[in-house]
Amino acid sequence: AQSVTQLGSHVSVSEGALVLLRCNYSSSVPPYLFWYVQYPNQGLQLLLKYTSAATLVKGINGFEAEFKKSETSFHLTKPSAHMSDAAEYFCAVSDLGGGSNYKLTFGKGTLLTVNP
Amino acid sequence: KAGVTQTPRYLIKTRGQQVTLSCSPISGHRSVSWYQQTPGQGLQFLFEYFSETQRNKGNFPGRFSGRQFSNSRSEMNVSTLELGDSALYLCASSLSPGLAGGGRGANEQFFGPGTRLTVL
Repeated sequence: AQSVTQLGSHVSVSEGALVLLRCNYSSSVPPYLFWYVQYPNQGLQLLLKYTSAATLVKGINGFEAEFKKSETSFHLTKPSAHMSDAAEYFCAVSDLGGGSNYKLTFGKGTLLTVNP
Repeated sequence: KAGVTQTPRYLIKTRGQQVTLSCSPISGHRSVSWYQQTPGQGLQFLFEYFSETQRNKGNFPGRFSGRQFSNSRSEMNVSTLELGDSALYLCASSLSPGLAGGGRGANEQFFGPGTRLTVL
């Protein structure tokens, strides 16, 4: 079974500082990896996804992530944090299960706080 | 194009009751998945439907069930509610799987705003 570990349930940064949210995955086959963001009282919105093309993936709102197979990591970064980035972030791996079954396995999430 | 819609947005029930939640996917999307989100367990996969057939099921008791209609709309039902069923229930839709295996796994899932269920 595939799994995702997000290091740090809460990350706090100052506005304008680098954002780094860590995600490590476990998978026996090449995975598809996703980062989602959830604002209070809302559903999840896709930030970016890795589907075995370029290892550096650019997403919305200035976020990007780099797939590193040797480290089984898919960390999310943003050069300069904005107050509007405050939200909870989830890393997920797609699980093909048996046959053509499909589901997402999520990490526990990282709450990002941005201080003025 | 309208996004995924879920109704109702908020629901309060008492233990022992049953509840039905509804999800309308994005037009053209034929796959619908359901997830439960709680502070303790995080986001957990419930089940996925495609073409009115359940294709995958998570590790939840039989009290949790679902179905999908010919127009791809989906409902999930929870019977004999327990306090621990209090959660945000999220529905997600994605394009129909055009390719077997990996191609389908790359499909993005679009999430609705969720239904907040409180069991008293």
